[in-house]
Amino acid sequence: GQQLNQSPQSMFIQEGEDVSMNCTSSSIFNTWLWYKQDPGEGPVLLIALYKAGELTSNGRLTAQFGITRKDSFLNISASIPSDVGIYFCAGRYGGATNKLIFGTGTLLAVQP
Amino acid sequence: DSGVTQTPKHLITATGQRVTLRCSPRSGDLSVYWYQQSLDQGLQFLIHYYNGEERAKGNILERFSAQQFPDLHSELNLSSLELGDSALYFCASSVQGSGTTGELFFGEGSRLTVL
Repeated sequence: GQQLNQSPQSMFIQEGEDVSMNCTSSSIFNTWLWYKQDPGEGPVLLIALYKAGELTSNGRLTAQFGITRKDSFLNISASIPSDVGIYFCAGRYGGATNKLIFGTGTLLAVQP
Repeated sequence: DSGVTQTPKHLITATGQRVTLRCSPRSGDLSVYWYQQSLDQGLQFLIHYYNGEERAKGNILERFSAQQFPDLHSELNLSSLELGDSALYFCASSVQGSGTTGELFFGEGSRLTVL
């Protein structure tokens, strides 16, 4: 199935460190979203981006919609143990459906 | 709590059987999406319904079917189950079928195990 390229695949960091992950696509999207999934749970929306170049923050999280509309990144500052989980980017083409194409996910582990 | 309700949370069945997964979207949401998440895989889009009508199909097998009812709840039917169908099946809802917003709100998923 269609997926976006997301990197890194996994990260193991110390509490307090900053984290950066990104997503690239061969297609242009008109919306980029970042979700977090905890074990046994559904993905939860973190940040939504709607315009090329847009930079949006949600607490310690900052995400940007790439100028080319083919990429996006997510930064987490001063990580804490509860940041542990899988982070997914998702892109939307638009048109008759709002279906999202998801990235392959980044597993984040934070050591206290 | 996203407001999207999925049942059952867990389901164990045998190969060749048929199961139905149910989803109730958030109040006011007209769109329902189904996604499959296999072990170590990302989320694969299966199908999208808007106000009772199919809007888009993804990698949904012919053995699978879905529908959205007048009260907007949706069901995903999986038949002739195979071992490889074991996965988490997520339902998500959003207000619109199309437009400028893309936020999908996910349920907690139904974990299907085929033995």
